[in-house]
Amino acid sequence: DSGVTQTPKHLITATGQRVTLRCSPRSGDLSVYWYQQSLDQGLQFLIQYYNGEERAKGNILERFSAQQFPDLHSELNLSSLELGDSALYFCASSSDGELFFGEGSRLTVL
Amino acid sequence: DAKTTQPPSMDCAEGRAANLPCNHSTISGNEYVYWYRQIHSQGPQYIIHGLKNNETNEMASLIITEDRKSSTLILPHATLRDTAVYYCIVREGRGSTLGRLYFGRGTQLTVWP
Repeated sequence: DSGVTQTPKHLITATGQRVTLRCSPRSGDLSVYWYQQSLDQGLQFLIQYYNGEERAKGNILERFSAQQFPDLHSELNLSSLELGDSALYFCASSSDGELFFGEGSRLTVL
Repeated sequence: DAKTTQPPSMDCAEGRAANLPCNHSTISGNEYVYWYRQIHSQGPQYIIHGLKNNETNEMASLIITEDRKSSTLILPHATLRDTAVYYCIVREGRGSTLGRLYFGRGTQLTVWP
């Protein structure tokens, strides 16, 4: 158990819809990272937050957004969903160096 | 950009040492080498990291060449539960303000009985 909690574990929705994925980092970790893993793309870095502020952006689509709240949990919002957004979405947290990953949220868009 | 090159797959007999190579010829002086693994769609798991010196922990050993252009992760006594994709990553610095991880394709290690 990494100490990082992600909900929901599984989510099935339709194209055009909007979903929110939630991440609770390890106690004391200020950084949260979001990654997307689809079958043909591997693990893709999306975005990083540090203590509530956006720190770095990777390959995150404009239809996607994220935020980190004062209690340090983070949410990843995915809108206007397309079939290609079906993937595993991982959250990770860090305090100094190593990243600890949650078990992921599996999103299926039909 | 993952900045590393790994063989796509390797296999190893249970109980033997698994030696996973990684090339990172463009690594810069302040970049660390990190290893993670991912077991069948679970969240990636941290294994070990190093800067210049060889490192060992309860999971594995990391051997970094003197010129730092390559490294080897060693699992001394592989078990079936070590079957996973292993990722070698170079990352700038430490501290939570730096160094998001960029994953490549990794090496699929299969441990057979």
